[in-house]
Amino acid sequence: QKEVEQDPGPLSVPEGAIVSLNCTYSNSAFQYFMWYRQYSRKGPELLMYTYSSGNKEDGRFTAQVDKSSKYISLFIRDSQPSDSATYLCAMIINSGGSNYKLTFGKGTLLTVNP
Amino acid sequence: GAVVSQHPSWVICKSGTSVKIECRSLDFQATTMFWYRQFPKQSLMLMATSNEGSKATYEQGVEKDKFLINHASLTLSTLTVTSAHPEDSSFYICSVSRTANSPLHFGNGTRLTVT
Repeated sequence: QKEVEQDPGPLSVPEGAIVSLNCTYSNSAFQYFMWYRQYSRKGPELLMYTYSSGNKEDGRFTAQVDKSSKYISLFIRDSQPSDSATYLCAMIINSGGSNYKLTFGKGTLLTVNP
Repeated sequence: GAVVSQHPSWVICKSGTSVKIECRSLDFQATTMFWYRQFPKQSLMLMATSNEGSKATYEQGVEKDKFLINHASLTLSTLTVTSAHPEDSSFYICSVSRTANSPLHFGNGTRLTVT
């Protein structure tokens, strides 16, 4: 079992739809959770960063973390064609010293159709 | 604004030549920078961790003599692909983080094509 699982999609939705992107993880030591958006031929752009269970909202984006279920989600409301990109989840373990690990999901390709 | 500047954004070189890619941290001093490689439709693969003033730490399977990393200052790290071959063609991306628990900020990447 991989440490971080992310459905690669592709996911295609109509403009205005609510999008739900998800990652599951197996290692309960992951403490910090991030979502990145990557446009084609560009570096990943940080969208959300959180470290506690619950919801965090930023504009049309909501990040949700459920540590008990080892599950994180990114919701996009009122999706726009400009949201079409690959979305990557990422997680950090950092328990001090050399015990640091950043792990990415494989990314989900999202297309929002006008 | 941009946190990380990476240059060049794309480069084409002939097989056997070397290519240098620069990564600059614009917002803060970075004692550690990370270099990733990404093949088409795949996720990011960590190549090495660049440490200011000391040797880089390479991931298993990454040839340190082929991918030379120099972190000469707190805001600049360079990756040199030596004696490039077509199989080195890829998207190379650097990243920095303010602290160990902070999220990574990425450059815009360098697309390397070796002919």
